[in-house]
Amino acid sequence: GAGVSQSPSNKVTEKGKDVELRCDPISGHTALYWYRQSLGQGLEFLIYFQGNSAPDKSGLPSDRFSAERTGGSVSTLTIQRTQQEDSAVYLCASRTAGALYTGELFFGEGSRLTVL
Amino acid sequence: AQTVTQSQPEMSVQEAETVTLSCTYDTSESDYYLFWYKQPPSRQMILVIRQEAYKQQNATENRFSVNFQKAAKSFSLKISDSQLGDAAMYFCAYRSGYGGSQGNLIFGKGTKLSVKP
Repeated sequence: GAGVSQSPSNKVTEKGKDVELRCDPISGHTALYWYRQSLGQGLEFLIYFQGNSAPDKSGLPSDRFSAERTGGSVSTLTIQRTQQEDSAVYLCASRTAGALYTGELFFGEGSRLTVL
Repeated sequence: AQTVTQSQPEMSVQEAETVTLSCTYDTSESDYYLFWYKQPPSRQMILVIRQEAYKQQNATENRFSVNFQKAAKSFSLKISDSQLGDAAMYFCAYRSGYGGSQGNLIFGKGTKLSVKP
């Protein structure tokens, strides 16, 4: 597709279960970001991928969170042993390498996670 | 560390009127970029306008313009001739001009804008 695609759009899970959220960036975009948007909060940076470089994981809130990016394209964010405080919208964004300084990120529509 | 503050959780404007959304930021850097992003109910964030800190001239994009006050670290968004489709969450964001930040954006908590017909 032409835009950043995220799935699932909505996910309801029980506390303690693992979840996987998927992001398919715009073709040709080498940089990919995951953000978390909690109710009433801004966007919280989670992790950043750039090409084949080691990801910047500095925003991951705990070791229950992990992410990978296969083949420099699709990314999966995994949350293990989910907790109620993990409930949020998880947004993925991508950009071209050349947009490092112009800053325009292209966002997906997010995955809303609800942990019961 | 840089921070972005949006002091107005909610704003309302009459259709066709003008509204200004406030944003302040804190940084010790001299090179940076500022952005306003719009998030409609679809949740997809869309870039509205961008300002480079080294430019004194305020950015303008059609009905959207900014008032960039570098010394005051203020970056407000003015929406003229408001339309129903402008109703959304608006986020102010900061990006360091130094490559070490990897292009990551630091966001404020957002302002929810309602447009009354």
